[in-house]
Amino acid sequence: QVQLLQSGPEVKKPGSSVKVSCKAPGDTFNTYGIIWVRQARGQGLEWMGGIIPLFHSTLYAQVFEGRLSLTADASTTTSYMELTNLTSEDTATYFCSRASLRGTSYQAADLWGQGTLITVSP
Amino acid sequence: FALAQPPSVSVAPGRTAAITCAGDNLEFKTVHWYQQRPGQAPILVISNDKDRPSGIPERFSGSVSGNTATLTISRVEVGDEADYYCQVCQVWDTDSDAVTFGGGTKLTVL
Repeated sequence: QVQLLQSGPEVKKPGSSVKVSCKAPGDTFNTYGIIWVRQARGQGLEWMGGIIPLFHSTLYAQVFEGRLSLTADASTTTSYMELTNLTSEDTATYFCSRASLRGTSYQAADLWGQGTLITVSP
Repeated sequence: FALAQPPSVSVAPGRTAAITCAGDNLEFKTVHWYQQRPGQAPILVISNDKDRPSGIPERFSGSVSGNTATLTISRVEVGDEADYYCQVCQVWDTDSDAVTFGGGTKLTVL
């Protein structure tokens, strides 16, 4: 079911930013949203936010407000997740996924990226 | 809004496993379930409370009653050993996020 292609792992310094890309199948942006989820080592899934490319609308988890930016390029069917002001607590694997929509509400995520490991270290 | 799952469930091969997910007014929300094996991305196993996506065995089923959703795995196999997460999607408001995951349940096949 892994059919979204994410960019590779990165090591970042505290205080810096990271931008992860996620390329989706060609028809995705017309009818689906893209949600981003992260998972620290040994921990559960944490929703970060979502973007509906067709409407250029975004929603962010309250805990990431002000630090997270989600964008989408329809010409390349690629979504981007940028997280700023990184700390060691942001060390995690970051997943993008394709989510069906009910109106403008996100629903089940049926396709996932392979995950991108972001390590934040001095 | 929060979803509570038991940290672990153990079951013998061939038996039935039930993994619960508790949250306020779940019967009025839509619940999805994911399976995640170590080092892999999650896989959708149940959508919209009880629908099985293409390719998911009939042994996997879902239900919701009151404040509890349940993922049931019949005739459990060794290959079902994984972490399972419930997820609820709801209309965003200032008091809750649009998407919430349960803490996950580790299914051990004895």
